Amino acid sequence: DIQMTQSPSSLSASVGDRVTITCRASQTIINYLNWYQQKPGKAPKLLIYGASSLQSGVPSRFSGSGSGTDFTLTITSLQPEDFATYYCQQSYSNYYTFGQGTNLEIK
Amino acid sequence: QVQLQESGPGLVKPSETLSLTCTLSGGSMSSGTYYWSWIRHPAGKGLEWIGRLTTGGTIHYNPSLKSRVTMSVDTSKNQFSLKLTSVTAADTAVYYCARAALGYGDHHYWGQGTLVTVSS
Repeated sequence: DIQMTQSPSSLSASVGDRVTITCRASQTIINYLNWYQQKPGKAPKLLIYGASSLQSGVPSRFSGSGSGTDFTLTITSLQPEDFATYYCQQSYSNYYTFGQGTNLEIK
Repeated sequence: QVQLQESGPGLVKPSETLSLTCTLSGGSMSSGTYYWSWIRHPAGKGLEWIGRLTTGGTIHYNPSLKSRVTMSVDTSKNQFSLKLTSVTAADTAVYYCARAALGYGDHHYWGQGTLVTVSS
C-alpha cells in the first residue's frame, strides 16, 4: 500500500501569513493527489485535485504543486476561516490512502 | 444540487454488524460514472478510506478491512450501502459517504457524516 506522510503535523500561523504543507508518498503517484480541508464536526471539503487543479468555488489563495512523490499545498494570505485540518489523499492505487493530517492553528 | 445522506444505527454492539446506507438526492446514480466511497474518521485520528464502488460493478476495499466489509448499490433507490462485520470499539467513528470523480478519485461531494459507536 502507498503511505502518505504529511508535514508538519501541526502548524501555528497568523492571519495574513503564507503557509506550506507538504505531503510525501512512499512511491510515485504521478499527480494522483488531492487536498482536503476539514473543520471540526464537518465533512472534509475538496480544495485541490490532480495535485494542482483548484476545485470550483475554492479561493485562489489555495494552490497545489508537485508530482511523483512530493507535493505541497500553499495558502497565501491566511484568512480566519482557513484554520482547520488539512489532508492529502492519493488515488494512484486502487486502495486510496490519506495523510495523517496537518492541524493549522491560529498563533 | 447533489446531496448525500448517511443513515443507520448510531450504536452497535461489539461482534455485531454495522450497517449504513447513503442516499443520493439531486441526481441519479445511474447517470454519469463516479466512484461511490465510504470513509471514516475516528475521534482524534485521521481519515480512513473504507472502500468504493461503481454502479457498473467495480468494487475496491481497504485491504485492512477487506475481510469484514461489503459494499453494495441499489440504483433504483439511489442508494449504496456499507456492512462491516464483527465490529469492535476500534470501529467507533464518524462514517462518511462521498462521491468521487473517476479521473483523480477526488471526493467532491460528501454526506454530513454519521457517528457510529460500538459499545455494549
